[in-house]
Amino acid sequence: AQRVTQPEKLLSVFKGAPVELKCNYSYSGSPELFWYVQYSRQRLQLLLRHISRESIKGFTADLNKGETSFHLKKPFAQEEDSAMYYCALFYNQGGKLIFGQGTELSVKP
Amino acid sequence: EPEVTQTPSHQVTQMGQEVILRCVPISNHLYFYWYRQILGQKVEFLVSFYNNEISEKSEIFDDQFSVERPDGSNFTLKIRSTKLEDSAMYFCASSHSTGELFFGEGSRLTVL
Repeated sequence: AQRVTQPEKLLSVFKGAPVELKCNYSYSGSPELFWYVQYSRQRLQLLLRHISRESIKGFTADLNKGETSFHLKKPFAQEEDSAMYYCALFYNQGGKLIFGQGTELSVKP
Repeated sequence: EPEVTQTPSHQVTQMGQEVILRCVPISNHLYFYWYRQILGQKVEFLVSFYNNEISEKSEIFDDQFSVERPDGSNFTLKIRSTKLEDSAMYFCASSHSTGELFFGEGSRLTVL
């Protein structure tokens, strides 16, 4: 069955520290993976997707098929990065995006 | 920039009552979704809708739930007879091509 796992409910770091938000997935096909972010009192929005291999707001994520992981990284966290981060897996049977539990990132000054 | 809009932002209802949550997706999008988030839990997929029919639904989306696109612009979620456990934030989303979803701000439903 398709599943997305984010093992950390809360990650707290100091400003300037590196950040890694973990995501593992379970999917028998070729995965299409995303990171969505929800800032306080704002809507869920796309942060980045593995296909584009881009860096957004300093964040990157690499798909590792061997480890079935798609961890989100940033070398130097900023206070404005504080938000809920959701890893998501899209699969094309009917068009369904499923989310992990979410990780709350708190960046302290 | 176009956005997905949802109404109402908050609705309080009595158990057993019918509720309709409304969404206006982005105009050139083809795929429509409803998700819900119970307080403290993850965002859960309810249903996807494409070409005027449901393309996928979760086990949560039982006979109490229905979706409709009545007029080519609105996309509604109806809960026929609400239960206490239906209390949640309900998010509508739309997408032009699959995978990148644009979400509304959510409708908070409180069932008393």
